[in-house]
Amino acid sequence: ETGVTQSPTHLIKTRGQQVTLRCSSQSGHNTVSWYQQALGQGPQFIFQYYREEENGRGNFPPRFSGLQFPNYSSELNVNALELDDSALYLCASSSLGETQYFGPGTRLLVL
Amino acid sequence: TQLLEQSPQFLSIQEGENLTVYCNSSSVFSSLQWYRQEPGEGPVLLVTVVTGGEVKKLKRLTFQFGDARKDSSLHITAAQTGDTGLYLCAGYSGGSNYKLTFGKGTLLTVNP
Repeated sequence: ETGVTQSPTHLIKTRGQQVTLRCSSQSGHNTVSWYQQALGQGPQFIFQYYREEENGRGNFPPRFSGLQFPNYSSELNVNALELDDSALYLCASSSLGETQYFGPGTRLLVL
Repeated sequence: TQLLEQSPQFLSIQEGENLTVYCNSSSVFSSLQWYRQEPGEGPVLLVTVVTGGEVKKLKRLTFQFGDARKDSSLHITAAQTGDTGLYLCAGYSGGSNYKLTFGKGTLLTVNP
């Protein structure tokens, strides 16, 4: 048990809709990283937040955006959903530069 | 773009057998991590290797980091059904955002 929680656990949306996923980081951690894991693939880095600022971004379009709050919890927002956005979305909590601990993920299905 | 290639992609063995999975790259990594992931769950960290040539043991699991820090292997001795899962390697190449680059994983099934 990592102490990292994510909500919701599962979500079904239709193309064009918007979605917000949430992550509560482990106590004492100030950094949250988000990853997308498509079926049969390894996780792909979306972006990282450190002390409420974006601290690095992977190869994802601007319709993927995020926030980090003063308590270091975080949100991932995806606008204009596409079928290929169907995936397991993972957040990882850490101190900056230290080992990342993953939450259980949110399974998103876009129809 | 840094890539990590894992092999084999799928592995099905009988309980009690030994196995080795591999993680290879043309890039140098500052450190490499191995995770195990069960269906519908997030990856769980098994080990981090940092020094070229490093060998770490975790009960029946032995992890090795290549001398050039481009490759790694995971060896499991006397596999058990509870070892079933997706084994992922992930490399950290340095920098302030600690981005992890993952391989596609090796899906291990240990049959009773």
